[in-house]
Amino acid sequence: NAGVTQTPKFQVLKTGQSMTLQCAQDMNHNSMYWYRQDPGMGLRLIYYSASEGTTDKGEVPNGYNVSRLNKREFSLRLESAAPSQTSVYFCASHGGQNFYGYTFGSGTRLTVV
Amino acid sequence: ILNVEQSPQSLHVQEGDSTNFTCSFPSSNFYALHWYRWETAKSPEALFVMTLNGDEKKKGRISATLNTKEGYSYLYIKGSQPEDSATYLCAQGGGDGLTFGKGTHLIIQP
Repeated sequence: NAGVTQTPKFQVLKTGQSMTLQCAQDMNHNSMYWYRQDPGMGLRLIYYSASEGTTDKGEVPNGYNVSRLNKREFSLRLESAAPSQTSVYFCASHGGQNFYGYTFGSGTRLTVV
Repeated sequence: ILNVEQSPQSLHVQEGDSTNFTCSFPSSNFYALHWYRWETAKSPEALFVMTLNGDEKKKGRISATLNTKEGYSYLYIKGSQPEDSATYLCAQGGGDGLTFGKGTHLIIQP
């Protein structure tokens, strides 16, 4: 049971380049999320998708776009990367029941130079 | 945006000792309180989800309590072991995403 799979694990971009972070879950979860982790900060929500076909902004959406391609996949796109987007990105999913926590992917470490 | 605060920021504990740390959150519009364990180079793993005032959850040597009226939760570790070394995150929210605290970094010293 793979859970939540993120690709790539590491990426270095030049300022202005674009890229898409991929996330897929095999648990039939309705909700999916993208978070970023920066030193000295808690995990901060970028975007989320409560169900297939819907997406909503989180706390720090500027500079990002998302696509909920189907129930399994939720991608995060940086159209024009900036050094401020250097971070570790985590995808997570949730089945909707209150008694279960989120399942996180293993993270993508992104450096923008 | 909900403000979730955790204390202390870091904690050194002798192996075998018991310890606890705190998560505080706004008591209004409460939905659920989550605790996660996050080891270095891994992804956060859910420990507990609590929704009702007075909830107590236990998993082995780790337990948690919840007070939604005053807006705090405690995580307890009994008889700390080296494998308990990790960052412990709490978060509040629901289906529209969780707001996380900055975590308590726990180091167990042999």
